[in-house]
Amino acid sequence: AQSVTQLDSQVPVFEEAPVELRCNYSSSVSVYLFWYVQYPNQGLQLLLKYLSGSTLVKGINGFEAEFNKSQTSFHLRKPSVHISDTAEYFCAVALIRGGSNYKLTFGKGTLLTVNP
Amino acid sequence: NAGVTQTPKFRILKIGQSMTLQCTQDMNHNYMYWYRQDPGMGLKLIYYSVGAGITDKGEVPNGYNVSRSTTEDFPLRLELAAPSQTSVYFCANTRGFGTEAFFGQGTRLTVV
Repeated sequence: AQSVTQLDSQVPVFEEAPVELRCNYSSSVSVYLFWYVQYPNQGLQLLLKYLSGSTLVKGINGFEAEFNKSQTSFHLRKPSVHISDTAEYFCAVALIRGGSNYKLTFGKGTLLTVNP
Repeated sequence: NAGVTQTPKFRILKIGQSMTLQCTQDMNHNYMYWYRQDPGMGLKLIYYSVGAGITDKGEVPNGYNVSRSTTEDFPLRLELAAPSQTSVYFCANTRGFGTEAFFGQGTRLTVV
């Protein structure tokens, strides 16, 4: 079975500073990888995804993530954050395999707080 | 298009009561899921469905039941509410392999 570890439960940063939110996964087979964002009292929205191809993936709102197969990581980065980026961020994986059991496994989330 | 719609948004239940959380989609996606979200614990999969008439258990199915009679609807049933079921519940769907999940706005349930 696959699992996802988000290494930081909370990340406080100042506005306009760079940020990296870390995600590691464990799986015996290849995976699809996703980052989602959850603003207060809302559902989750997709930020970006890695399916195949280039290991550097760009998403919405200036976020990007890099897939590192040897380190089984998919860290999320933004060079300069805004107050509006304050939210909870979830990393998720799904197995690449045949059959009908397609489902996403989520990490526990990282709360990003951007301070002025 | 509404996407994934959940009702109600909030509910307070007494221990032992039952209720159904409604989820409907207008995206014609085959796969649907119910997750619960607890603080600091991320999202845990309760049940999922790969199409009408087919459902399967996720990580934390105990105390819940689902049905999938149509592509559009995927209700979650709590038969005997317990305080441990206090949580925020999210319904989601996907089109299939390699695709992202689309989420409803959530139902905040409190069992007292």
